[in-house]
Amino acid sequence: KAGVTQTPRYLIKTRGQQVTLSCSPISGHRSVSWYQQTPGQGLQFLFEYFSETQRNKGNFPGRFSGRQFSNSRSEMNVSTLELGDSALYLCASSTTSGSHNEQFFGPGTRLTVL
Amino acid sequence: AQTVTQSQPEMSVQEAETVTLSCTYDTSESDYYLFWYKQPPSRQMILVIRQEAYKQQNATENRFSVNFQKAAKSFSLKISDSQLGDAAMYFCAYRIPYGGATNKLIFGTGTLLAVQP
Repeated sequence: KAGVTQTPRYLIKTRGQQVTLSCSPISGHRSVSWYQQTPGQGLQFLFEYFSETQRNKGNFPGRFSGRQFSNSRSEMNVSTLELGDSALYLCASSTTSGSHNEQFFGPGTRLTVL
Repeated sequence: AQTVTQSQPEMSVQEAETVTLSCTYDTSESDYYLFWYKQPPSRQMILVIRQEAYKQQNATENRFSVNFQKAAKSFSLKISDSQLGDAAMYFCAYRIPYGGATNKLIFGTGTLLAVQP
């Protein structure tokens, strides 16, 4: 089974631009969560989607948004990029939401904002 | 609010020796999950071990075991017979039982483990 894939792996943008990151979960997984990883703030939860519905949202400004498609693939969008948005963005997939199911992480998308 | 604290930013261990990574957490919940994740340099994060709070028995996965002290809200990871491939950043994480339907993880700040040959 293929693992969680994220595209692109690396991205360079300038302040004010917007960006869309993609996450394809493991086949059969319906839950996708997104995390931002930075040296200063560590790993912070962005949001979680299950069956195309947002289940939970972290404490991030409205510039951060996401969605999930019927095939469980998920995208996150960041508008009006700021220098502080430079980070590794990780997604994780699981068969369902809650319970004890293991979450599998993707390799991440490294976003650099100049 | 739930928090997870890892007080050791860096640790070092000799190959074949044993090392213990510390983690404490704060929660008012009685049921929850605790995890240790490993993030090797430039590689994907993987689950090392998982503990369910209602289980008193400490979880074990091969060379990895935990010491779960619920009353003290402590969850340490012991790595026995350390190998060079164990070198990585280790994150302790807590899952909020949000109505029982969420995968949201709260992570600690991580411990960077170096393994000396």
